[in-house]
Amino acid sequence: QSALTQPASVSGSPGQSITISCTGTSSNVGGYYYVSWYQQPPGKAPKLMIYEVSNRPSGVSNRFSGSKSGNTASLTISGLQAEDEADYYCSSYTSSSSHVVFGGGTKLTVL
Amino acid sequence: EVQLVESGGGVVRPGGSLRLSCAASGFTFDDYGMSWVRQAPGKGLEWVSGISWNGGSTVYADSVKGRFTISRDNAKHSLYLQMNSLRAEDPALYYCARGGDTEPYYFDYWGQGTLVTVSS
Repeated sequence: QSALTQPASVSGSPGQSITISCTGTSSNVGGYYYVSWYQQPPGKAPKLMIYEVSNRPSGVSNRFSGSKSGNTASLTISGLQAEDEADYYCSSYTSSSSHVVFGGGTKLTVL
Repeated sequence: EVQLVESGGGVVRPGGSLRLSCAASGFTFDDYGMSWVRQAPGKGLEWVSGISWNGGSTVYADSVKGRFTISRDNAKHSLYLQMNSLRAEDPALYYCARGGDTEPYYFDYWGQGTLVTVSS
């Protein structure tokens, strides 16, 4: 069982917006701004989409945004496109082990 | 262009050893900490180990502590993972990733992975 809890799946139609949640504790998500999000298309390596809660790396579409409230971080994808279909993972620093932990992953289906 | 290319995966018996390598290019290797992250078949991501830019600091997940050793050779722009006493729970695609060893704890580039299988 992962230290960070994500919904197993979410879905949306092209053009819609979806939000993926990532719930932890005050020892990880709630206590630090070291939350990041990764996109993993089927059969491919993960790609960094958001770092430090809400920052986008160069080259990542501004349709992707991140936020945090309390012990829950969120990834929002607006204007859904077919190419967004992938697994999404959150991660956070955790003081309980002084390392990084990942969420269990969320499969995004674009209908 | 940043490139990370893993190698060294294969089939090994329980209790056996394997050494993974990651060749880095496209950036100043000794400016960055590096990490290994694994993904069991059909499962999620699991951070395994991290090493500082100069190799002076290493960290491990509890699941591999005492069995795996991370190292690097900055002259060769390479990262390594020595895996000993391999167990049934270790099979996975092992990714080399840049960063993650220290603040701000994210991985900004990933390789394509090398597959480790443990089978008798």
